Amino acid sequence: DAKTTQPTSMDCAEGRAANLPCNHSTISGNEYVYWYRQIHSQGPQYIIHGLKNNETNEMASLIITEDRKSSTLILPHATLRDTAVYYCIANYFSGGYQKVTFGTGTKLQVIP
Amino acid sequence: EAEVAQSPRYKITEKSQAVAFWCDPISGHATLYWYRQILGQGPELLVQFQDESVVDDSQLPKDRFSAERLKGVDSTLKIQPAELGDSAMYLCASTSGNNEQFFGPGTRLTVL
Repeated sequence: DAKTTQPTSMDCAEGRAANLPCNHSTISGNEYVYWYRQIHSQGPQYIIHGLKNNETNEMASLIITEDRKSSTLILPHATLRDTAVYYCIANYFSGGYQKVTFGTGTKLQVIP
Repeated sequence: EAEVAQSPRYKITEKSQAVAFWCDPISGHATLYWYRQILGQGPELLVQFQDESVVDDSQLPKDRFSAERLKGVDSTLKIQPAELGDSAMYLCASTSGNNEQFFGPGTRLTVL
């Protein structure tokens, strides 16, 4: 399973874009990059995932480098409710099962 | 919107006592996960079920922890006897196929 590396913490001004980086230099060809976030005292919440191409949904955008060794989660207009711990995960699928290893994530603080 | 249910939400127990946690996944989700999350860390997988079968329990401390999913629907995680180091959030998640995991609100265990 590929390990991911994220900064421990980041600050972002409210209304600005939050760019959260993730390094996954050992990711294999069949591992997807998934992002979850965890607001204090709640269960993690799925945000977005991708394999090779950049992805966008109503919550965020995911930019994956061409060599797939790193990615960036973009929250285009951060709000105070986006304050949370963000986890970048290399999600391995095999035989219909997925194997997920969470790291310690990035604590994003959105500042008014 | 369907959700993963967990109970109890909070549990306080004394060391050496037995505790049990219950999880009801989203209907139709064949894969169920139990995670343990120590404060300040990411979730750690304890056990993974595919229907009623265990597919990964390599990180489950089997001398004191047990998990079952008898009918392939809801699941119970038990600790006997509880130790001080078991104080943590216990999260349940479910998924259908190669899709994102849906997490429950968790059970916060405090062992005194």
